[in-house]
Amino acid sequence: DVKVTQSSRYLVKRTGEKVFLECVQDMDHENMFWYRQDPGLGLRLIYFSYDVKMKEKGDIPEGYSVSREKKERFSLILESASTNQTSMYLCASSSPDTYEQYFGPGTRLTVT
Amino acid sequence: QKEVEQNSGPLSVPEGAIASLNCTYSDRGSQSFFWYRQYSGKSPELIMFIYSNGDKEDGRFTAQLNKASQYVSLLIRDSQPSDSATYLCAVPKTSYDKVIFGPGTSLSVIP
Repeated sequence: DVKVTQSSRYLVKRTGEKVFLECVQDMDHENMFWYRQDPGLGLRLIYFSYDVKMKEKGDIPEGYSVSREKKERFSLILESASTNQTSMYLCASSSPDTYEQYFGPGTRLTVT
Repeated sequence: QKEVEQNSGPLSVPEGAIASLNCTYSDRGSQSFFWYRQYSGKSPELIMFIYSNGDKEDGRFTAQLNKASQYVSLLIRDSQPSDSATYLCAVPKTSYDKVIFGPGTSLSVIP
């Protein structure tokens, strides 16, 4: 079974802090994704990566950056957390052959 | 027009009934379609995918695809309270490896 893990289930940070969200997958997938999910807004793509050190902006990249130094790990960075970044963050991975995305358990981030 | 649209619901059906969830998409070049189920507080999980026109059955779930009408649906037969969740329709972008998710339909199965 594909396994996607995220570093934290719940996280509370203060405004202005730098925040790192880590995601690791064990299926050797080339593609990895970061989404945020908010009530009434659905899943919104922040960034995705199709290879090591490669990244593409999604629909809402402002205020975020990413890092992919190894194939299995994709990090989302909030350079200076703000209250409007309070959300559920979901990481996913997929093979480019099938488009089937496998999600991690999510990190519920609260910025106070 | 949004790329992937779904009825937001909530959709309520009695236990044992058929639940019908609908999705329309705008990209005529789309070749594959996915249904994800998301329980409250959990992450989405893939439950069905379909590539060809017609029906695809998996247990109590049936996915139906009509490419001419740009329409894909999910039928859940003999609905159970454990089917209560939000169902997300997903359609890959034809030029990229990313997937567009619909807003989801909330389903409630009443015992």
